[in-house]
Amino acid sequence: EAEVAQSPRYKITEKSQAVAFWCDPISGHATLYWYRQILGQGPELLVQFQDESVVDDSQLPKDRFSAERLKGVDSTLKIQPAELGDSAMYLCASSLRPGTSGQFTGELFFGEGSRLTVL
Amino acid sequence: AQSVTQLDSHVSVSEGTPVLLRCNYSSSYSPSLFWYVQHPNKGLQLLLKYTSAATLVKGINGFEAEFKKSETSFHLTKPSAHMSDAAEYFCVVTAYSGGYQKVTFGIGTKLQVIP
Repeated sequence: EAEVAQSPRYKITEKSQAVAFWCDPISGHATLYWYRQILGQGPELLVQFQDESVVDDSQLPKDRFSAERLKGVDSTLKIQPAELGDSAMYLCASSLRPGTSGQFTGELFFGEGSRLTVL
Repeated sequence: AQSVTQLDSHVSVSEGTPVLLRCNYSSSYSPSLFWYVQHPNKGLQLLLKYTSAATLVKGINGFEAEFKKSETSFHLTKPSAHMSDAAEYFCVVTAYSGGYQKVTFGIGTKLQVIP
């Protein structure tokens, strides 16, 4: 069964360093989401892409976070510089293009996540 | 606009007893509703989904949920809890509006199963 791939699974870094996470969605999924999940809380949407375009980045801290999906397939989320409060699980999810005939249900498919610890 | 309210942040049950996790929603659109489960340090796994077909939805691991439009509820149930059910559960609403899908998560319910 097709899966959303994320790497790295775990990352430990010192504050003020740069860190990057990579996500490869399920093939054919037009929509890609990056979520941040702080321990004990629900996922918070950071950025949502449809193909290569950003459709929602209202909660992305743009002074230090950036995200790209240049060819509308895989995506990279970057943090520079990392701060202690960035310690969290970063989840990537993908879904079919809304309205995809006979297949679209709105279901999100999640990767295993990338656990970031900032020291 | 849409929102999701999970009425309990923690639920504790004894092994072998029924499970009820409550979820209410509001949406200006025609929503789809989902329950996801998350075990520690893992991603979210789909338990079940409602997408305007049958109102009683069966999912994996013996879970089911009933969509009640009049009550705007989508509660998750299981007749008999197993130790492996201990996890965090998220109720999620999605809707297509303005050219893209909008996704709203509940705050999550942590299920504890006591042996």
